[in-house]
Amino acid sequence: DAMVIQNPRYQVTQFGKPVTLSCSQTLNHNVMYWYQQKSSQAPKLLFHYYDKDFNNEADTPDNFQSRRPNTSFCFLDIRSPGLGDAAMYLCATSRGGTGTPYEQYFGPGTRLTVT
Amino acid sequence: LAKTTQPISMDSYEGQEVNITCSHNNIATNDYITWYQQFPSQGPRFIIQGYKTKVTNEVASLFIPADRKSSTLSLPRVSLSDTAVYYCLVGSANGGSQGNLIFGKGTKLSVKP
Repeated sequence: DAMVIQNPRYQVTQFGKPVTLSCSQTLNHNVMYWYQQKSSQAPKLLFHYYDKDFNNEADTPDNFQSRRPNTSFCFLDIRSPGLGDAAMYLCATSRGGTGTPYEQYFGPGTRLTVT
Repeated sequence: LAKTTQPISMDSYEGQEVNITCSHNNIATNDYITWYQQFPSQGPRFIIQGYKTKVTNEVASLFIPADRKSSTLSLPRVSLSDTAVYYCLVGSANGGSQGNLIFGKGTKLSVKP
């Protein structure tokens, strides 16, 4: 089945130690998104790629970076994780276009713990 | 971006119809209304989307009045498995700018036996 895969499902990192989360998709969608979701809060969009074009949300800290080497893969890099970065990180994909927003397909998420 | 307002929580019983209303007073002409469902420790899942009047699929119905300043998600005959958080989003796609669908605070629906 076509799907969005996130690895690992659980990640523990130390304060200040760089960490990379990965996302892959078999849907061949143009757009890939990264969201941060803290406990009991709504998902917060960090950035997204439309094909190779990177779109950063204005309030996303510089500590968060992303790479999309090809259509199928997208990575979230946290350069110096702080305790406040502990959260569920959700990857999503959608087709791209203008007008009707396309359905976003979400992965299961990676729960990041910072010690 | 259009801001959305939903009830923080709702309770219901199995077999009842549940209606969750979302307010979006400054919705733009090109904006669509989209609802997502999220279970604990899972990513959100698309439920339904509409622009005006009424949309129905196998899961839910979406009612949108003529002024489009609000919308109501209707879940017929809920079961325990419908216990989840429901998010109302308002926005449109604009070529390269796909990220203007902002999740509001959501409504936590609890279905009791």
